[in-house]
Amino acid sequence: DTAVSQTPKYLVTQMGNDKSIKCEQNLGHDTMYWYKQDSKKFLKIMFSYNNKELIINETVPNRFSPKSPDKAHLNLHINSLELGDSAVYFCASSRIPVGGNEQFFGPGTRLTVL
Amino acid sequence: DQQVKQNSPSLSVQEGRISILNCDYTNSMFDYFLWYKKYPAEGPTFLISISSIKDKNEDGRFTVFLNKSAKHLSLHIVPSQPGDSAVYFCAARGGTGTASKLTFGTGTRLQVTL
Repeated sequence: DTAVSQTPKYLVTQMGNDKSIKCEQNLGHDTMYWYKQDSKKFLKIMFSYNNKELIINETVPNRFSPKSPDKAHLNLHINSLELGDSAVYFCASSRIPVGGNEQFFGPGTRLTVL
Repeated sequence: DQQVKQNSPSLSVQEGRISILNCDYTNSMFDYFLWYKKYPAEGPTFLISISSIKDKNEDGRFTVFLNKSAKHLSLHIVPSQPGDSAVYFCAARGGTGTASKLTFGTGTRLQVTL
């Protein structure tokens, strides 16, 4: 019974293509996030949504467009994929406000752009 | 500008001994600190946290120490077990309410040997 799930787990695609990654959480959390872990292993926040509303947008190129159809889902659409987009993308969720801001992460989606 | 640093990319410890993982930060506005553990091909999982108003938090074999004046925290694992072998990320919370976010270090790979 997975708390935060992502699909697909692996994604291999050509430069210039458009792709989407889906995320769902069944924890009843209000806030969801997308993180990118690059080749240097930095785990960096990209976006956060609270109750379907965009809260954090960390200077991410506008080729990346998150969409939250409801509180339990946060999808990430990427247009015109570039080589530098290759990374592992993690979805996470948390309950806000909460003392520790503990975030629960999905298993990650490894994106490879050829 | 790396606000959370884990200067040791890897650490090897014998089973039964103490593992000490270190983390330094630069932003004095961080108010909460967390440790996450990550196994290969999985998302990070929350391990333990500490508020900036405390200097120690203990949970079973895991203890986190915070030295605010030095902007330094450490995770102690006693006794270390082979199942503790993983990558450990330090994270710090900044911002308030729904706009709060975590800034992660680059991780330390812990190997617990028999």
